[in-house]
Amino acid sequence: DAGITQSPRHKVTETGTPVTLRCHQTENHRYMYWYRQDPGHGLRLIHYSYGVKDTDKGEVSDGYSVSRSKTEDFLLTLESATSSQTSVYFCAISGADSTDTQYFGPGTRLTVL
Amino acid sequence: RKEVEQDPGPFNVPEGATVAFNCTYSNSASQSFFWYRQDCRKEPKLLMSVYSSGNEDGRFTAQLNRASQYISLLIRDSKLSDSATYLCAGDSGAGSYQLTFGKGTKLSVIP
Repeated sequence: DAGITQSPRHKVTETGTPVTLRCHQTENHRYMYWYRQDPGHGLRLIHYSYGVKDTDKGEVSDGYSVSRSKTEDFLLTLESATSSQTSVYFCAISGADSTDTQYFGPGTRLTVL
Repeated sequence: RKEVEQDPGPFNVPEGATVAFNCTYSNSASQSFFWYRQDCRKEPKLLMSVYSSGNEDGRFTAQLNRASQYISLLIRDSKLSDSATYLCAGDSGAGSYQLTFGKGTKLSVIP
């Protein structure tokens, strides 16, 4: 299994609070991604990174920001959480083997009350 | 917006049966395709990559039809342990390093 960890694995928070999710990899992959997965919608890309300090928006980026200060860490921040951001969040990595195969972390289950 | 479409199922099949899933894609520039398996409350795990016409790995065969823009996954001799949701994905074009995922097809293999 690819060396990807996510923290926290579960979080319950209240509307309006800031939340930061962390993705950490030990595989030295160049690309990192944040997805959310919801019933009826499948996996949707929030933001991705193509290098340290290089990030770009995905399909559903509103309400989310990201940062990547080191190759191994990719942070996803919900500045002011809303109930619509209740979801399962997956981090993925790719690029070390010159293919676009993506490998996923174990996920973070976030509930916003 | 580029789409990847799958039949959501569920597909309920008996042990030992052969089952096939199809996945259509709209982005004609897509070069690489993937099948992932996702167990309940777990992360997607890579099952197979499909870069040319097809790929086979044991009981699993994936095929790509570029003319009709679909990929298929065939599972032979289904096992109870094959019960999962199967996601297909296609890249956004050569060198894009982004994937678009289908919503998944749920398979239940019944004793």
